[in-house]
Amino acid sequence: KNQVEQSPQSLIILEGKNCTLQCNYTVSPFSNLRWYKQDTGRGPVSLTIMTFSENTKSNGRYTATLDADTKQSSLHITASQLSDSASYICVAQNTGGFKTIFGAGTRLFVKA
Amino acid sequence: EADIYQTPRYLVIGTGKKITLECSQTMGHDKMYWYQQDPGMELHLIHYSYGVNSTEKGDLSSESTVSRIRTEHFPLTLESARPSHTSQYLCASSEYVMETQYFGPGTRLLVL
Repeated sequence: KNQVEQSPQSLIILEGKNCTLQCNYTVSPFSNLRWYKQDTGRGPVSLTIMTFSENTKSNGRYTATLDADTKQSSLHITASQLSDSASYICVAQNTGGFKTIFGAGTRLFVKA
Repeated sequence: EADIYQTPRYLVIGTGKKITLECSQTMGHDKMYWYQQDPGMELHLIHYSYGVNSTEKGDLSSESTVSRIRTEHFPLTLESARPSHTSQYLCASSEYVMETQYFGPGTRLLVL
């Protein structure tokens, strides 16, 4: 069964701290994995996209990793800011793009 | 900032009314998508289109219908709204199926 599981469900950290969000997927045959940031009441915005041959991708303070063997991905946020408070969604897509599976997201709260 | 627009942003209507949610993009993307998202939950694909005159049903069964008469326009229609249709509806587009999807701001629908 194609599915994406994210952990933790929610996370509270202090401003300036680092954090790592996890994603496990079972989409097959796997093509690519994306991380999106969704602010409350807004549409998701793409942070990174990685194919099965890539194992890391950075976008500013966001660094995503991918292990296609264990079917795991992580999103590391460095030196968090208040504006990082949002939901972070992991999305896996199969070859051909006919299946795009969204995770339920991790809700991140950054406190001053 | 992606050039994809949705109107209205918020809509409160009574049961039985017919509604159309508008989605337009100015990026010339062939692929367009409609997602339904309940608060704190994952996105579910309800409709997609590969181009003009192409419409397909997504993974989540929906009583809504869509049309794609022009590349830039992908409206979603509910013939008779019910309280169970209360949700957030997100429109997205991409240049290719395997590429990043750009999301609109969403329409929050409340059916009384």
